Amino acid sequence: DAKTTQPTSMDCAEGRAANLPCNHSTISGNEYVYWYRQIHSQGPQYIIHGLKNNETNEMASLIITEDRKSSTLILPHATLRDTAVYYCIVRVAKGGNTPLVFGKGTRLSVIA
Amino acid sequence: SAVISQKPSRDICQRGTSLTIQCQVDSQVTMMFWYRQQPGQSLTLIATANQGSEATYESGFVIDKFPISRPNLTFSTLTVSNMSPEDSSIYLCSVALATGTGNQPQHFGDGTRLSIL
Repeated sequence: DAKTTQPTSMDCAEGRAANLPCNHSTISGNEYVYWYRQIHSQGPQYIIHGLKNNETNEMASLIITEDRKSSTLILPHATLRDTAVYYCIVRVAKGGNTPLVFGKGTRLSVIA
Repeated sequence: SAVISQKPSRDICQRGTSLTIQCQVDSQVTMMFWYRQQPGQSLTLIATANQGSEATYESGFVIDKFPISRPNLTFSTLTVSNMSPEDSSIYLCSVALATGTGNQPQHFGDGTRLSIL
């Protein structure tokens, strides 16, 4: 079973920051937080991951609370193409051998 | 990252028939995974495919229904056997790149959209 809780859906105005929360209160010390998104008719796309430090890449920023029980994915300037289902997943770091377990995710709608 | 190609991208099949889905990766990968995504649902892991050994199936999935081959480090197939309308889903191949003690993201193909009549 998925170890994360996310809101079912969210709306965001185009050009504004989209902040997607995730609760993972039972996360273990050796588990990373991964974010993926799935745009309609495509496979899931990797966005970002982190262990305890905040992370940023060209797509998004990941903010992890100090107790690691929750995190927020930030899309700084949402566009219509960011409309997708966003999945927050915790995964043990074992050299990539542990498969991802998907929850229901958050359906983000970016509105013009 | 890795480029993952699945064939076919979609198919419509008659009940009782079987279909083999191919997954080709442009680099050698340690682990390959097969997922199912039923209409309107999230992804469910079917099995993990290791090269040179039997696939490991998740609860609710059996080898007779979903036989998997993994002949080398860049290729795998999933067969959906004796199909019924309940098997109508998107089937996705995913890979994890070879790595040491670190962690690497999994990458996904765009899936095979299967409809059973």
